[in-house]
Order: sequence, then structure tokens, then C-alpha cells
Amino acid sequence: NAGVTQTPKFQVLKTGQSMTLQCAQDMNHEYMSWYRQDPGMGLRLIHYSVGAGITDQGEVPNGYNVSRSTTEDFPLRLLSAAPSQTSVYFCASSYIAPTGQDSPLHFGNGTRLTVT
Amino acid sequence: GENVEQHPSTLSVQEGDSAVIKCTYSDSASNYFPWYKQELGKGPQLIIDIRSNVGEKKDQRIAVTLNKTAKHFSLHITETQPEDSAVYFCAVPARGYSTLTFGKGTMLLVSP
Repeated sequence: NAGVTQTPKFQVLKTGQSMTLQCAQDMNHEYMSWYRQDPGMGLRLIHYSVGAGITDQGEVPNGYNVSRSTTEDFPLRLLSAAPSQTSVYFCASSYIAPTGQDSPLHFGNGTRLTVT
Repeated sequence: GENVEQHPSTLSVQEGDSAVIKCTYSDSASNYFPWYKQELGKGPQLIIDIRSNVGEKKDQRIAVTLNKTAKHFSLHITETQPEDSAVYFCAVPARGYSTLTFGKGTMLLVSP
């Protein structure tokens, strides 16, 4: 049971390049989300999904696209990278609790992205 | 949106001492209060959480207390050990299903 797997672990991009950060989970979780972590800023929500085919914006969505074609995968796309997108990106998943209450987020180990 | 303030930003203690980290939040409708621990190079991991119908919850050396009237909740770690050294985040529910708004984190350093 791998949990949440993020690839790549590290990436360097030049301004204007595009790339996709991969996230896969093997726990059959319905909910998935992307956060970015910057020094002194905590984690901020970029986009999230409540199931295949359904996505929505979080706190800092500009410059990022997502799609959710399967339960397992939730890729994050940077169409034209900017230095302001230099950050550590975390993907998380969680399940729908039978009681309807919040359930814990399971995080991957992150992708460290540098845009020069 | 929800605002979460976390203090202190850094905390240094001696092994065996207690550590307390406090968070305040703005949305009185918040009903779920988790704490996450992040070790170097890893993603955050849930260590304890509390729901709004409870005032305190303990799990071995860690505890969380909640004061809904004052809109603050705290993480208490007793008998600290060097392996407790990490960054700790509090969080409250954000507007989307199963999403969170995080505090800015507390770096805890436990010296032997």
C-alpha cells in the first residue's frame, strides 16, 4: 500500500515552460487536493476534487490547471511557469466518512519546483 | 475566508519539558480542528484532531484543547523527546469538501 505518490520529487523549469506534477493514490479515496508550501506561509490550497470529473478552485488557483479523469490520479498542470511558482507542492487525499464528518488528509512527500 | 493564526513560529525546549502551540481562528462555524506534524523532506501527517463537541482529547503524550467561545485551540506535548522535533501545523476546514486552511506552522526543536 503506497498511499499518495507524487512525481517527480524535484524539478527545475525555465520561465514560460510547462509541466505536469503527477499525483496518484491507491486508497480509493474520493477527495483529492493540491497545496503549495512556501517559507513562513504554511500550506495554501490550489485546487481540489470531490470525485472523478469534478474539480474546483482553492485559495491560490491562478496559473494552475487540474483535471480528474480517474479516482486514482489528480495531476496539476503549470501551463507557463513563473518564478512566483517556485514552491513545494503537496498532493493530499481523503475519504468520505460514513458519518459525513471530516476525515484526515493523507499527504504525499511533495515535489520541490524551482522556476528560474 | 477563514483566518488561522498560529503561535509561536519557533519553539525550543529541553528534552523532557512540555511544549504548547496555540491557534486562533475566525469562523465560529468551524467544527473540526486537526494538528499535523511535518518532518524534514516529508508531507504533513495527522497526529491528533478534535471536533467541536469535545473540549479536550489526549493520545499518550499529546493532547489538544479547544475553547470554542474564545475561538482557539492548542496542542500540548508532554515529556518531549528529540524525535518530536518537526514543524507542526494547525488547521480548520476550508470552504471545499475535505480541504483545510492551515496555520503558518511552528518549528519545534527539542534539545537532548
